[in-house]
Amino acid sequence: KQEVTQIPAALSVPEGENLVLNCSFTDSAIYNLQWFRQDPGKGLTSLLLIQSSQREQTSGRLNASLDKSSGRSTLYIAASQPGDSATYLCAVTTDSWGKFQFGAGTQVVVTP
Amino acid sequence: DGGITQSPKYLFRKEGQNVTLSCEQNLNHDAMYWYRQDPGQGLRLIYYSQIVNDFQKGDIAEGYSVSREKKESFPLTVTSAQKNPTAFYLCASSGDSRSAKNIQYFGAGTRLSVL
Repeated sequence: KQEVTQIPAALSVPEGENLVLNCSFTDSAIYNLQWFRQDPGKGLTSLLLIQSSQREQTSGRLNASLDKSSGRSTLYIAASQPGDSATYLCAVTTDSWGKFQFGAGTQVVVTP
Repeated sequence: DGGITQSPKYLFRKEGQNVTLSCEQNLNHDAMYWYRQDPGQGLRLIYYSQIVNDFQKGDIAEGYSVSREKKESFPLTVTSAQKNPTAFYLCASSGDSRSAKNIQYFGAGTRLSVL
């Protein structure tokens, strides 16, 4: 069964510093990997989706890489801002039914 | 305004009572999903549906039931058989669930508590 791990569980950085969030998964036969943001008490917002054939995706200050062979993905957020404070979750799907397995998330606090 | 609407935002359940959480989407998506989120944990899949009148059990379906009579609607019933229902429930939909471009869109969630 696919297991998804996110370390660390929590992270605090000063404003302006780059953020590096890690996600690892045990089964490398994935269809895609998706990064989400969740604000307290809210639903999830999709940030980036990386298909299994891709190595990275970029959107603005966000860049996500994927290394299937080692079972890892990294989300980079450049020049962090207090508004980036949230929980970031990664999820992978290993079948054609679109069922995602989620990590527990990394809670990020960016201090002014 | 396109999106996924979950209601109510907060729900309280009495002992032995069944409660139903609503999820409606106007994105014209075929696939819909229900997840449960407990504090400090990731989301766990309860049920999913790829098409109207069809649905499949996820990882933690015991004590829950669903229906998919309309494309737009995927209500979740938490039955009295679910002994630990207190959690945050999230509904999602996807327009291209069978492809590698499957992006899931989420509602704002329903927080269920036991009285």
